[in-house]
Amino acid sequence: SYVLTQPPSVSVAPGQTARITCGGNNIGSKSVHWYQQKPGQAPVLVVYDDSDRPSGIPERFSGSNSGNTATLTISRVEAGDEADYYCQVWDSSSDHPEVVFGGGTKLTVL
Amino acid sequence: EVQLVESGGGLVQPGRSLRLSCTASGFTFGDYAMSWFRQAPGKGLEWVGFIRSKAYGGTTEYAASVKGRFTISRDDSKSIAYLQMNSLKTEDTAVYYCTRGMGIYYFDYWGQGTLVTVSS
Repeated sequence: SYVLTQPPSVSVAPGQTARITCGGNNIGSKSVHWYQQKPGQAPVLVVYDDSDRPSGIPERFSGSNSGNTATLTISRVEAGDEADYYCQVWDSSSDHPEVVFGGGTKLTVL
Repeated sequence: EVQLVESGGGLVQPGRSLRLSCTASGFTFGDYAMSWFRQAPGKGLEWVGFIRSKAYGGTTEYAASVKGRFTISRDDSKSIAYLQMNSLKTEDTAVYYCTRGMGIYYFDYWGQGTLVTVSS
């Protein structure tokens, strides 16, 4: 099955830029989606189709995807951005299509 | 306003069954795929399965970990999606989330989740 690899943790100071990576074999050929999950809450979609933002998501959240790495970029990080972030793809390349998540990255705002 | 409300969670013994419901409002339910996810305590997100809209055949897909034990269905007249869970195992213990599916399978609205605990 398809594997997505995320760093377990990323730390950044307020006002700086956080970059969270999601690695996968030729992930650039897939559509990548990103979710934010704060403790005790349901996940929230923050980026879909590599780089589109749902309504209500700040422009500070952006995404890119090429080659073997997709990246979620959070500019001008705020304390309220502290959360777990998950990348997700739909893998239809095998006989058993499936929704795949990365293991998640905990963003800490210093 | 789109709302998804899960219900039916609780404590169940291993080997028993449980059915979760997801009641939707605020959108034309029949036009969308509906999916279930779960999250074990302290762990990451795991896809359980989804059901396509009737326009796409109403077919289902499941994660390998639940295939043959779990069944997803929908009642478009009531705007409800169901997750029937049979032969439950302790490792099925998790918060179960209902979501609305979009495009090439991303999930834009999530319910608040319902906790399922499988224990003797």
